[in-house]
Amino acid sequence: AQTVTQSQPEMSVQEAETVTLSCTYDTSESDYYLFWYKQPPSRQMILVIRQEAYKQQNATENRFSVNFQKAAKSFSLKISDSQLGDAAMYFCALTDSWGKLQFGAGTQVVVTP
Amino acid sequence: GAVVSQHPSRVICKSGTSVKIECRSLDFQATTMFWYRQFPKQSLMLMATSNEGSKATYEQGVEKDKFLINHASLTLSTLTVTSAHPEDSSFYICSVTTGGFGYTFGSGTRLTVV
Repeated sequence: AQTVTQSQPEMSVQEAETVTLSCTYDTSESDYYLFWYKQPPSRQMILVIRQEAYKQQNATENRFSVNFQKAAKSFSLKISDSQLGDAAMYFCALTDSWGKLQFGAGTQVVVTP
Repeated sequence: GAVVSQHPSRVICKSGTSVKIECRSLDFQATTMFWYRQFPKQSLMLMATSNEGSKATYEQGVEKDKFLINHASLTLSTLTVTSAHPEDSSFYICSVTTGGFGYTFGSGTRLTVV
């Protein structure tokens, strides 16, 4: 069985600062995808970033970047130059071979002016 | 990615009645859709995988007779909550897989059973 663990229920960051969200996972698959999704108060799920496990290079999307450590099964998200609009719940997710997504418990990001 | 429309966004129903939630893929032929349930301040839990033209595959612990899924076309999957009870009150979200492990989510349906 796959597991996705997010151990930080809430993280607070000041505007323009950097925050890192942690995620660890366990899977028996040799090939898989990892995701970070953002869920603002509207509850619409928004893809932040995606990482293919066979790619060693860490994915980046503008102010968002990941630190993917495959051997350690760790997949952290760094938000740089935080903005008020970044405030949301962030979910780490992992696919299985059937394409099903397993989500972590989520981390609430609070951005203070 | 695909454009996914989910309706209704909110519904209130009486205990014992049934409610249907629609998930439409507007610009992509979706052979597979997923249905999730999310309780307040919790994560998304996969309920079932909806496959066009065949029976849905339910996750362990999900009552298939209570949560009926129909995926009769490549653009529409429906989730019917039958004989709803207050404990079924939740936020239901569908997603479309667009291949290559790409996913687009609907905007969700808040179900309240009174």
